Amino acid sequence: GENVEQHPSTLSVQEGDSAVIKCTYSDSASNYFPWYKQELGKRPQLIIDIRSNVGEKKDQRIAVTLNKTAKHFSLHITETQPEDSAVYFCAASNAGNMLTFGGGTRLMVKP
Amino acid sequence: DGGITQSPKYLFRKEGQNVTLSCEQNLNHDAMYWYRQDPGQGLRLIYYSQIVNDFQKGDIAEGYSVSREKKESFPLTVTSAQKNPTAFYLCASSIDLGGSQHFGDGTRLSIL
Repeated sequence: GENVEQHPSTLSVQEGDSAVIKCTYSDSASNYFPWYKQELGKRPQLIIDIRSNVGEKKDQRIAVTLNKTAKHFSLHITETQPEDSAVYFCAASNAGNMLTFGGGTRLMVKP
Repeated sequence: DGGITQSPKYLFRKEGQNVTLSCEQNLNHDAMYWYRQDPGQGLRLIYYSQIVNDFQKGDIAEGYSVSREKKESFPLTVTSAQKNPTAFYLCASSIDLGGSQHFGDGTRLSIL
C-alpha cells in the first residue's frame, strides 16, 4: 500500500518569512495530492490540491509543487502570518484507493 | 447547506459502556471514514465504507464497530473492549474512495 512521509514534524518561522513542508510517497500510481490545514481543536480543511498532470499550482500565498520522478511534493507558504499557525497534513491517493495521510507538520508563526 | 454533521460534540463514557457517535452527510458522497486523533498526533483510520452496506477495517479497528445502512449515515460505536477511548474522533466523506475528503467538526470522547 501507499506510504506517505512528511517533514518536518514541527516548523517555527518568523512572521513574513516563507515556510516549506515536504512529503514523499511510495506508490508511483498515486495521482492526487491534497493538503489540509487543521487549526487547534477543529476539523482538517482542504487548502490546496494538485493532480499528477501538473507540476505546480498556486493560490494566493500558498503553492504546491510535485516531482513525480522523485515521488515528492511540497507545500510553500509565503509571507506567513500568525493565522497560518496550524497543523498541516499532506496526503496521496489514486483512483480506487483512499487517501493516505502524512504524519502532520505543526507550523508556528511567531509575530 | 451541504456538509457533514457529527454529534455529539462532547461525549463521556462510563466503564463498561458502549457509546455511539453519529455522522451524517448530505453531500451525496459514496465513501465515508472514521479517524481517531490523539493530542498532538496525526489521523489514524478506524473504519471506512466505500458504499452502502459495505465497510472495511482500518489500521485501529479493534474495540470499534460501524454500520452503513444508509448512504447518508455512518455511525461509530466505541465498545467497552476499547480500553483507551479518550480521543478526538473525526468523520469524513468523499465522492469516491480516492477523492478529497470532507471532514465533520469532530466528537471529543472522554472517560468518566
